[in-house]
Amino acid sequence: DAGVIQSPRHEVTEMGQEVTLRCKPISGHDYLFWYRQTMMRGLELLIYFNNNVPIDDSGMPEDRFSAKMPNASFSTLKIQPSEPRDSAVYFCASSDGQGSHGYTFGSGTRLTVV
Amino acid sequence: DQQVKQNSPSLSVQEGRISILNCDYTNSMFDYFLWYKKYPAEGPTFLISISSIKDKNEDGRFTVFLNKSAKHLSLHIVPSQPGDSAVYFCAASENDYKLSFGAGTTVTVRA
Repeated sequence: DAGVIQSPRHEVTEMGQEVTLRCKPISGHDYLFWYRQTMMRGLELLIYFNNNVPIDDSGMPEDRFSAKMPNASFSTLKIQPSEPRDSAVYFCASSDGQGSHGYTFGSGTRLTVV
Repeated sequence: DQQVKQNSPSLSVQEGRISILNCDYTNSMFDYFLWYKKYPAEGPTFLISISSIKDKNEDGRFTVFLNKSAKHLSLHIVPSQPGDSAVYFCAASENDYKLSFGAGTTVTVRA
């Protein structure tokens, strides 16, 4: 398996524009997580899905953020409109929900909003 | 409010010496604890874990200690090697599905 795949690796956009981040989880993993990494707060959980259904979105900062998982092999995180304070590295991770090894993370998308 | 705290943002250690990373948590319902390692431009990768029913878990050069009464855990790396230079995240969960992470500690191993 190629692991968790995220795209794009880097995104630079202007304030007010819509941004869409993409994630392909590991096949067979039925949990998918979106995290945001910042210097001050480290890794923050934004939302997670189980079997394509959103379970907990309490970490989503505000209505400008939305996430979908239309099928078991694809998820998106959308920010509309984007703001400079959204600049961060966004990670997607997946898990089979079993065992003691936590999640497998993707390589992340570095978002810069100017 | 962060439930997992890593109060030392950075640590510098000489090659061959011991690295000790600390982590505190506030949620007494946490029953599983993990450490992740992250290199630049990569995602975090699992390093070692410990269940709340244990107080120590060892894997090669890495040992995690858990003090439930103090709500504190630590990661010991001995001996430290240049390849250990990375950011280390402490994480905790009430189940296997949702992990809460600390802010990370950047470890630099000096030759």
